[in-house]
Amino acid sequence: DTAVSQTPKYLVTQMGNDKSIKCEQNLGHDTMYWYKQDSKKFLKIMFSYNNKELIINETVPNRFSPKSPDKAHLNLHINSLELGDSAVYFCASSQPTGSGGNEQFFGPGTRLTVL
Amino acid sequence: AQKVTQAQTEISVVEKEDVTLDCVYETRDTTYYLFWYKQPPSGELVFLIRRNSFDEQNEISGRYSWNFQKSTSSFNFTITASQVVDSAVYFCALSGHSSYKLIFGSGTRLLVRP
Repeated sequence: DTAVSQTPKYLVTQMGNDKSIKCEQNLGHDTMYWYKQDSKKFLKIMFSYNNKELIINETVPNRFSPKSPDKAHLNLHINSLELGDSAVYFCASSQPTGSGGNEQFFGPGTRLTVL
Repeated sequence: AQKVTQAQTEISVVEKEDVTLDCVYETRDTTYYLFWYKQPPSGELVFLIRRNSFDEQNEISGRYSWNFQKSTSSFNFTITASQVVDSAVYFCALSGHSSYKLIFGSGTRLLVRP
């Protein structure tokens, strides 16, 4: 059973398009995250939702909008894609205990290529 | 501000050698958590270990061991008798007590040659 799944695994699109990446977790966790890994492998948090509420919103362009329809799903919508958006996007989830420090389980990643 | 530094960009060893991956962190929190993740060539991120700031005991899991030293703000990872399957990028990460986000280091690419 896949714990954290993402679709699609690969996404190739033209500059200026709008695209979405979906994430689902079946671990019963309350908290979900989006991370971006750039071409140099650097990983950085973008957003986090806890029980469908946005709790972390790093300095990310407004073209990126997360949506959490329920606590098992966290989708990422990107408008007006730019070349610099090319990266691997990871979804993760964790079970909070009122503080940080819980293990985050990561999805397999979505490799986005903007041409 | 929180920061994680992995000064070793790439390490290459021959199989069966021992190798240590360094991790130095900065935080003002008194309670914090440290992690190691492995990213094999297939790309997924695999959790290896979590350590909280109050537990300075070293940990051993098979060929893996971790050395946490608050005095030097380091959380180093040693692989004993390395194997080709250990080839991966290894990330050290930090989170604070009141923050859910992981602050990652830049990663160390380990290549184990047969």
